[in-house]
Amino acid sequence: GQQLNQSPQSMFIQEGEDVSMNCTSSSIFNTWLWYKQDPGEGPVLLIALYKAGELTSNGRLTAQFGTTRKDSFLNISASIPSDVGIYFCAGEDYGGSQGNLIFGKGTKLSVKP
Amino acid sequence: NAGVTQTPKFQVLKTGQSMTLQCAQDMNHEYMSWYRQDPGMGLRLIHYSVGAGITDQGEVPNGYNVSRSTTEDFPLRLLSAAPSQTSVYFCASFPSGGVINEQFFGPGTRLTVL
Repeated sequence: GQQLNQSPQSMFIQEGEDVSMNCTSSSIFNTWLWYKQDPGEGPVLLIALYKAGELTSNGRLTAQFGTTRKDSFLNISASIPSDVGIYFCAGEDYGGSQGNLIFGKGTKLSVKP
Repeated sequence: NAGVTQTPKFQVLKTGQSMTLQCAQDMNHEYMSWYRQDPGMGLRLIHYSVGAGITDQGEVPNGYNVSRSTTEDFPLRLLSAAPSQTSVYFCASFPSGGVINEQFFGPGTRLTVL
């Protein structure tokens, strides 16, 4: 089946630093999404991308839908302690049913104050 | 709106026992789905439903049954629990024909099978 490769697996950074993580796929997706998950909670959507090449920002977060439709990246600028958590990329494939998502394995972010 | 609610929050079962994980949403969303999350893994789709009376299998459906008799509820049944089903289970919903950024996840049910 389809797989998403998300990297890095984990990051340990200093408060104020910028963060970059990415996802690559063996197949094309129509939509790319980035979620954040806090311990004991469900994923919360951060950014949704709908078109190849699209660059979207949400506060300090910026994400891009790769032009090949097989990759996406998420940047976090000027990290703060509350950015700690696990970040997941997910792709939606209209070849399946709308709303069915394929998830990456996540990037665990730790921020040192 | 309460959003997507899941019960119970925690559950411990013995191998071979059966149980139902409950999921309800009050947003009149047509699409509902169940995912499982294992340590160090992303979420994997178990079953989904695009409306009352319609269900289909996701990536990892074996060992689970679902039904959708109402728009609001989408229970997940484990007929004979196995240790491999130890996981965190998330329910999600969004309006059919809507955009994916309207999808909401519940808080999860943490299941341990001994």
